Amino acid sequence: EVQLLESGGGLVQPGGSLRLSCAASGFTFNNYAMIWVRQAPGKGLDWVSGISDRGRDTYYADSVKGRFTISRDNSKNTLYLQMNSLRAEDTAEYYCAKVAAATGTEAADYWGQGTLVTVS
Amino acid sequence: QLVLTQSPSASASLGASVKLTCTLSSGPSTYAIAWHQQQPEKGPRFLMKVNSDGSHKKGDGIPDRFSGSSSGAERYLTISSLQSGDEADYYCQTWGTGIWVFGGGTKLTVL
Repeated sequence: EVQLLESGGGLVQPGGSLRLSCAASGFTFNNYAMIWVRQAPGKGLDWVSGISDRGRDTYYADSVKGRFTISRDNSKNTLYLQMNSLRAEDTAEYYCAKVAAATGTEAADYWGQGTLVTVS
Repeated sequence: QLVLTQSPSASASLGASVKLTCTLSSGPSTYAIAWHQQQPEKGPRFLMKVNSDGSHKKGDGIPDRFSGSSSGAERYLTISSLQSGDEADYYCQTWGTGIWVFGGGTKLTVL
């Protein structure tokens, strides 16, 4: 069974930093791209960042480019999102999701339960 | 630039069917999309991928009551025999090289 478990969320002041983690199990982690998606309170889903299976290629939404860094440790089956220079508008539930392909050209087919980031 | 458009809300009666629409408002009409369900206070769940030819592949454990189809730039999710547990937000998603895009979501109310 595929499982994705996010952690690392919390309350942080504007300008601060936070690192999110996503522990993956139930599939061959290093064969698939992964993405982060966020959802502000009462709003829809918003893609944040993506990374290819081996970590060579990374992608960012314009809203986080230069402030967030996605990475992965395939030896630990873990995905990360380093968030710096946080703003109030970054407040959201953050989800990691598995992509149904090695590169970034497929749907997300499994989701985690999310971790809440509050910038205030 | 990829843009997906969804109606904000839809409603249907218990036991009836409903068809939700996702329109590729920008970008090639040949794009596939995915449908995701988000029940209240839960994370999203992948339902299916719908191709431009109308073929679709469902995620693990998705009941036969859920089906997908296509027509031109529109992609559809049909839910039959509606149950109270189907009341949720439904999002469509598409993707390109290094980008993923979501529609604004449709809130489905089961009457």
